[in-house]
Amino acid sequence: GAGVSQSPSNKVTEKGKDVELRCDPISGHTALYWYRQRLGQGLEFLIYFQGNSAPDKSGLPSDRFSAERTGESVSTLTIQRTQQEDSAVYLCASSLDRLQRYEQFFGPGTRLTVL
Amino acid sequence: AQSVTQLGSHVSVSEGALVLLRCNYSSSVPPYLFWYVQYPNQGLQLLLKYTTGATLVKGINGFEAEFKKSETSFHLTKPSAHMSDAAEYFCAVSSNDYKLSFGAGTTVTVRA
Repeated sequence: GAGVSQSPSNKVTEKGKDVELRCDPISGHTALYWYRQRLGQGLEFLIYFQGNSAPDKSGLPSDRFSAERTGESVSTLTIQRTQQEDSAVYLCASSLDRLQRYEQFFGPGTRLTVL
Repeated sequence: AQSVTQLGSHVSVSEGALVLLRCNYSSSVPPYLFWYVQYPNQGLQLLLKYTTGATLVKGINGFEAEFKKSETSFHLTKPSAHMSDAAEYFCAVSSNDYKLSFGAGTTVTVRA
């Protein structure tokens, strides 16, 4: 079946604008994760959704960042009033369940450039 | 708290030579450890993982890694490099059941 998909693949925006990034997880995967990958750095955890439980937002860097998930399907990561330091690749992953015996499958990412 | 250090941001090997990528972790509880690979213009793909049990873990494409608790290490090896192994490799650790902490990555180039 289809893997994790993300859109857009590339986004260029001006400082101060809002952006929305979309993630479509693998069908049937209850857990969904967002990560940020800055140039030359590893992935930073942003937020985690599991079924109908309250999301773990502990990795969101500021209140300009928010994310939603509709049931166990699509998720949207929103960045308000973008800043140049928000430039990064934003990766989404999904897994069957939260337990680590279930592999996290990653999407190709959205490359965000803030001018 | 958990963290990962990957030694060497770039590794260059000759085709057929040993590939060795180093990873050290810190974790307050017994960790879960992972190696992911990212080929150009593709998403991350799981190479192998250690959860419990045997400390030598075999993964896809001939890679393996050994968990050494005394050294807090989880180094990745492949006996004979292939051109198709050129990619970026990430080590990751988890101390709970879902949050992964990644290293900065090691880019591997393979010389013909």
